[in-house]
Amino acid sequence: AQSVTQPDIHITVSEGASLELRCNYSYGATPYLFWYVQSPGQGLQLLLKYFSGDTLVQGIKGFEAEFKRSQSSFNLRKPSVHWSDAAEYFCAVGALSGGSYIPTFGRGTSLIVHP
Amino acid sequence: KAGVTQTPRYLIKTRGQQVTLSCSPISGHRSVSWYQQTPGQGLQFLFEYFSETQRNKGNFPGRFSGRQFSNSRSEMNVSTLELGDSALYLCASSLEVAYGYTFGSGTRLTVV
Repeated sequence: AQSVTQPDIHITVSEGASLELRCNYSYGATPYLFWYVQSPGQGLQLLLKYFSGDTLVQGIKGFEAEFKRSQSSFNLRKPSVHWSDAAEYFCAVGALSGGSYIPTFGRGTSLIVHP
Repeated sequence: KAGVTQTPRYLIKTRGQQVTLSCSPISGHRSVSWYQQTPGQGLQFLFEYFSETQRNKGNFPGRFSGRQFSNSRSEMNVSTLELGDSALYLCASSLEVAYGYTFGSGTRLTVV
């Protein structure tokens, strides 16, 4: 069975600083990988996804993620964080089941942005 | 285009009652998935429907059920509510799950 680990429960950064959120996955085949963001009281929004091709993926809101097969990682990065980026971030791995790739989500990383 | 619409946004029910939650997906999306989100367990997959057929089911008891209509709208039902069913229930639609989900804002269910 697939699994996702987000080692950091909380991360605090200053506005304008760079950001890296870690994600490690376990899955026997080539995974579908996703990053989502959730603001308080809202649903999740897809930031970016990866299945194949270039291992550096660009997403919305200036985010990018790099797939490293050797490390089973899919870390999310942003060069300069804005106060509006404060939210909960979820990494997910999609595994094939019943003809569909059902994502398993990590427990999330809460991003706190200091002014 | 309109997003994923979930109704109601908030719901308070008593233990033992049953509840039905509704989800209208993005037009053209035939896959609808449901998730339960709690602080203790995180996001847990309930089930996925595609063209009115349940294609996948998570590890939840039979009290949790769902269905999808011909217009892709979906409902989920929880019978004999327990306190532990209190959660944010999220609906997500997609053309195909592999493309990524569009989530609704969720229904906050409180069981008292």
